[in-house]
This record gives sequence, C-alpha cells and structure tokens, in this order.
Amino acid sequence: QSALTQPASVSGSPGQSITISCTGISSDVGRDNYVSWYQQHPGKAPKLMIYEVSNRPSGVSDRFSGSKSGNTASLTISGLRAEDEADYYCRSHRSGNTPWVFGGGTKLTVL
Amino acid sequence: EVQLVESGGGLVQPGGSLRLSCATSGFTFRSYWMTWVRQAPGKGLEWVANINHAASQTNYVDSVRGRFTISRDSVNSLYLQMNSLRAEDTAVYYCAREDYYALDVWGQGTTVTVSS
Repeated sequence: QSALTQPASVSGSPGQSITISCTGISSDVGRDNYVSWYQQHPGKAPKLMIYEVSNRPSGVSDRFSGSKSGNTASLTISGLRAEDEADYYCRSHRSGNTPWVFGGGTKLTVL
Repeated sequence: EVQLVESGGGLVQPGGSLRLSCATSGFTFRSYWMTWVRQAPGKGLEWVANINHAASQTNYVDSVRGRFTISRDSVNSLYLQMNSLRAEDTAVYYCAREDYYALDVWGQGTTVTVSS
C-alpha cells in the first residue's frame, strides 16, 4: 500500500505561517475524520500534535491547527519558532487489509 | 506518569527471529488498543500492527503479515514476535497507545538490525 503524499520539505521564517498537506484518496483521508499529525525531532520518538483532523491534545500549542478538505488534510503552524523545526507525519485510517497508513513525512526548516 | 518502554531489539541474521516487548505503566492497559510502528534508518514512519483491548482482533501491514505476531498480556505488556526476518525489517520499533484514533503516547523505541 502506498503512503499518503506529503511534500518532502517546507520552510519558513520565524513568525510566519506554513501549511503541510497530506493527500490521500477516498478510502483513507477522504473516508472519515481519523487523521492525526505527529512531530518528530531527530533521534526522538514522535509526538502527537493533532487528532481527528483538527483537535489538539492537552499541552500542544494553539499555534498548531489541522483541517481537511476532500482527500487532503492539512497542518498549519502559525508564528513559526525555531523549536518547530522537525519532521511532521500525517496518519489516516484506511479501508482494506491495512487499517492505518502514514504519510511519507515533511521536513520543516525554520530559516 | 504514563510510560511505555520497549526492549528486545538487537542484531539478528536474515531468517532469524526476535521478540520485542513493551512494558507500560501509569494507565489502565486493558482499556486501550496498542500499536507497533517502525522507522527504517533515514526513512519515514511505517504502521506495522495493532491489537484491540481484549486481544481478540489484530491487524498487520501486508509486508509483515504471516511473519510477525502482535500480542498482549492482561496486565501491562505488549509484544511483537518477529520471525523470518529480512534486511528490510531493520528499523527502530516503537510501541504506542491508541486513543481517539491517534497514537497519543509513544515509547523511546528499540533498534532491530537484520544483517549477516
């Protein structure tokens, strides 16, 4: 099964906003609202940032927000900070033999 | 404090077997689905397998189905039995708790290297 499609890299300056897309098909991203986003710093375990498309876990900054339109989910980070520099992954529920799939990951660089 | 601690990784020859463990604490283990995720060197995350609360339902990614078995005990531990290992199974393996259809707590990972 192919992974969800994310841009390999995005960049932005401190204070700016960036958006990372996660594109799937009608049997995964477009199927329901079980899309989540994860932040991973080098050598560290991933951290949940957004669940069920747009919900933030307790303790996650409100600079992080999520949305979805059709088969594409998006993660927006506003007011970029140096500590936001990391890899970001989306994950979606998928119909079929393998019920979950990750995106290929996006490297965010804060200039 | 909610905590997941993986163990059991190491170097194994192609065709060999390894059993990973994930010890949990700080939450009611039997109330949650649990998941294994792996990350090959320099690559992205790959969902591997999950198991429901009662251990009555399991799911696998196609590339490991028939070779890996996910299981859990009734107290606080998750397992991944890996047989017929291949070079492409080389990765850091993470266990994670599932809540609200997301992986909200992760362990620190254990490294599996398949090489002769």
